[in-house]
Amino acid sequence: DVKVTQSSRYLVKRTGEKVFLECVQDMDHENMFWYRQDPGLGLRLIYFSYDVKMKEKGDIPEGYSVSREKKERFSLILESASTNQTSMYLCASRTGFTQPQHFGDGTRLSIL
Amino acid sequence: TQLLEQSPQFLSIQEGENLTVYCNSSSVFSSLQWYRQEPGEGPVLLVTVVTGGEVKKLKRLTFQFGDARKDSSLHITAAQPGDTGLYLCAGGKGNEKLTFGTGTRLTIIP
Repeated sequence: DVKVTQSSRYLVKRTGEKVFLECVQDMDHENMFWYRQDPGLGLRLIYFSYDVKMKEKGDIPEGYSVSREKKERFSLILESASTNQTSMYLCASRTGFTQPQHFGDGTRLSIL
Repeated sequence: TQLLEQSPQFLSIQEGENLTVYCNSSSVFSSLQWYRQEPGEGPVLLVTVVTGGEVKKLKRLTFQFGDARKDSSLHITAAQPGDTGLYLCAGGKGNEKLTFGTGTRLTIIP
């Protein structure tokens, strides 16, 4: 089974802090994704990556950056956390364009 | 702009009843996926449909892709408490991204 692991299930940070969310997958998948999930809005794509050191903006990249130095690891960075970034963050990976995405269990992030 | 609207947003029914949830868009998609998400977990893929008019069955769940590939439905027969969860549709356009729907939160009452 594919395993996508997010480093924290729950995280509480303060406004203005730099926040790192980590995601690791164990199936040598090419593509990785970061979403945020808010009630009534579904999943919205923040950033994605086709391969190591490659990144593309999703639909809501403002206030976020990403890093993919190794194929199995995709990090989401909140440069200066704000309260409107309080949300559930989901990481996903897949092997190719037409393949299903495999999700981690999410990180519930609260910015105070 | 939300490209995929799901209805209803919430649905609560008794065990044994049938139900249908809908996923609608003004855009054409080359594929449509349905995911189910349970509390505390990430979404898990249920099915992918790729042909207009295609119908796929997964035990008591029937998925249909609209003829014009702009909409989809999920029908559950004889719902069970284990069907409880958040159902998400997601459209693909043959490229890198999926567009997710707004979600339907389903509760089956024993």
